[in-house]
Amino acid sequence: EVQLSQSGGGSVQPGGSLRLSCEASGFGFSSYAMSWVRQAPGKGLEWVSSISGSEPTTFYTDSVKGRFTISRDNSKSMVFLEMSSLRAEDTAVYYCTKEPYSSVENWFDSWGQGTLVTVSS
Amino acid sequence: DIQMTQSPSTLSASVGDRVTITCRASQSISYWLAWYQQKPGKAPKLLIYKASTLQIGVPSRFSGSGSGTEFTLTISNLQPDDFATYYCQQYNTYYTFGQGTKLEIK
Repeated sequence: EVQLSQSGGGSVQPGGSLRLSCEASGFGFSSYAMSWVRQAPGKGLEWVSSISGSEPTTFYTDSVKGRFTISRDNSKSMVFLEMSSLRAEDTAVYYCTKEPYSSVENWFDSWGQGTLVTVSS
Repeated sequence: DIQMTQSPSTLSASVGDRVTITCRASQSISYWLAWYQQKPGKAPKLLIYKASTLQIGVPSRFSGSGSGTEFTLTISNLQPDDFATYYCQQYNTYYTFGQGTKLEIK
């Protein structure tokens, strides 16, 4: 069974930094692209960032480019989202997601439980 | 950027009804479209991908159709568990979600 277990998140002041982690199990982690999707309170879903499987290539939505960094550790079956220069508009529940292939630009077939990031002074 | 527009934003229906949600893309996305169901406080759940392929374990009362710029999600014989918010998502060029359709009990 595919499981994505998220950790990290919490409250931070504007301009601060935070790191989200996602530990995967139940599938051959290195063979699949992984992504982060967020949902602001009471709002819809927004794609944030993706990383391909082996020989990772990274992709970001424009609003987080230069501030967020996605990475993965295939030896530990983990994916990370390093967030810096955080803004109030980054406040959201962040979901770790799995794609069905090593390359990106697919649907999200598994989701983590979500972790809340609150950016407020 | 590709924009996705869902309609309606809210839909009221009764158990046993058949409902349809529409998703329109701002440009052709072939059949690179997925549908998700989300319940309050929970992560979204994949229902359909490639516009019409049912994810394993999803009841057959859910169906998807369309290609190009117009797509539909149809739920037949609505069950109490189906009342939720539904999102479409394109993955032709990066990823974009529709704004969501809340399916409420009439």
